[in-house]
Amino acid sequence: AQSVTQLDSQVPVFEEAPVELRCNYSSSVSVYLFWYVQYPNQGLQLLLKYLSGSTLVESINGFEAEFNKSQTSFHLRKPSVHISDTAEYFCAVSEAGNQFYFGTGTSLTVIP
Amino acid sequence: NAGVTQTPKFRVLKTGQSMTLLCAQDMNHEYMYWYRQDPGMGLRLIHYSVGEGTTAKGEVPDGYNVSRLKKQNFLLGLESAAPSQTSVYFCASRTSGQHEQFFGPGTRLTVL
Repeated sequence: AQSVTQLDSQVPVFEEAPVELRCNYSSSVSVYLFWYVQYPNQGLQLLLKYLSGSTLVESINGFEAEFNKSQTSFHLRKPSVHISDTAEYFCAVSEAGNQFYFGTGTSLTVIP
Repeated sequence: NAGVTQTPKFRVLKTGQSMTLLCAQDMNHEYMYWYRQDPGMGLRLIHYSVGEGTTAKGEVPDGYNVSRLKKQNFLLGLESAAPSQTSVYFCASRTSGQHEQFFGPGTRLTVL
């Protein structure tokens, strides 16, 4: 089974500053990678995904993540955060598609 | 198109009581999943289903049962609730042609 590690449980950052949320997974076999965002008292929403092809994937609201196979990482970045980005972010990994393995989450707090 | 819905949104049980959580999806998805979310532990898979009439155990299945009698519904049952089952429960679904999962809004369950 996969193990997904999100190294930072809480990340405070000032508005308009850059941010990186880190995600590492355990297995180097072929994987599908996802970032989900959870706003307070809501379900999870897909932010972006890597299935194949270009290792850099982007979301519609300015986030991007880069798949690094040699380092088994899928870090999430945004060059300039907004107050509305305050949320919990989960990294997830799927091997054969049946099961997802989630990280423990990173709570991003954007400070005005 | 409601997506994934969960009933109820909140519930308080006493130890030993039973209840059933209902998940419904109107996207004709083959795969459905039940997760529980606990602070600092991310999402953990309880049970999942790859199609109508099939179920399988996930990472933390003990104390739960599931049924998938209709393709659009996935029921999670607690036969004898315990305080350790206090959690937020999320249902998710996906189609066999894509890898991302779509999540419901969650059910917050408290067992006293």
